Amino acid sequence: ETGVTQTPRHLVMGMTNKKSLKCEQHLGHNAMYWYKQSAKKPLELMFVYNFKEQTENNSVPSRFSPECPNSSHLFLHLHTLQPEDSALYLCASSRGTGIVNQPQHFGDGTRLSIL
Amino acid sequence: GDSVTQMEGPVTLSEEAFLTINCTYTATGYPSLFWYVQYPGEGLQLLLKATKADDKGSNKGFEATYRKETTSFHLEKGSVQVSDSAVYFCALIRVYAGGTSYGKLTFGQGTILTVHP
Repeated sequence: ETGVTQTPRHLVMGMTNKKSLKCEQHLGHNAMYWYKQSAKKPLELMFVYNFKEQTENNSVPSRFSPECPNSSHLFLHLHTLQPEDSALYLCASSRGTGIVNQPQHFGDGTRLSIL
Repeated sequence: GDSVTQMEGPVTLSEEAFLTINCTYTATGYPSLFWYVQYPGEGLQLLLKATKADDKGSNKGFEATYRKETTSFHLEKGSVQVSDSAVYFCALIRVYAGGTSYGKLTFGQGTILTVHP
């Protein structure tokens, strides 16, 4: 139990569907992150939120839309995805982005498959 | 930009063998360095970290030393167990002026370790 919970664990969707990934952290952290993990590629940072404000968008296509209503919850809204978007999407949290040596705590991820 | 390069895997060892997974990095300034581990079906867990040159991070029998002169942070364990089978990620976070990092971890591609009984 890492204190970061992601739902659903698995998601299969068509390219025209709209779905959302959810992340919740129970660690009292103020920063939350979305990462994409594809086979044979390094983890890619997608978005960073600090105190509910987006501080990083790593050139992510607009078909991925993040939402952070409070410091404990983070969503990733998906629409008109492409087959190359199939991957494991990991959420993480940390005390804050300004605290260098505090580790990021990861959830178990959502395995997304685009048909 | 910042980058992390890990040795190609997969690495297959027998139980009680010595483990080394090489990691080198390129970064501006003085990054902090990390090793994360990902067990099957799970997210990443921090294994150890080092924040300045010559620091040694250690945890669960694993060690890594921050070598600025060779820009390396190799992971070692003297005697691996079957339960150590996982994917290991080397990562860095750049420290900007003022001591902040903006939370931007840069990861290597991961090394798969399989330990046989």
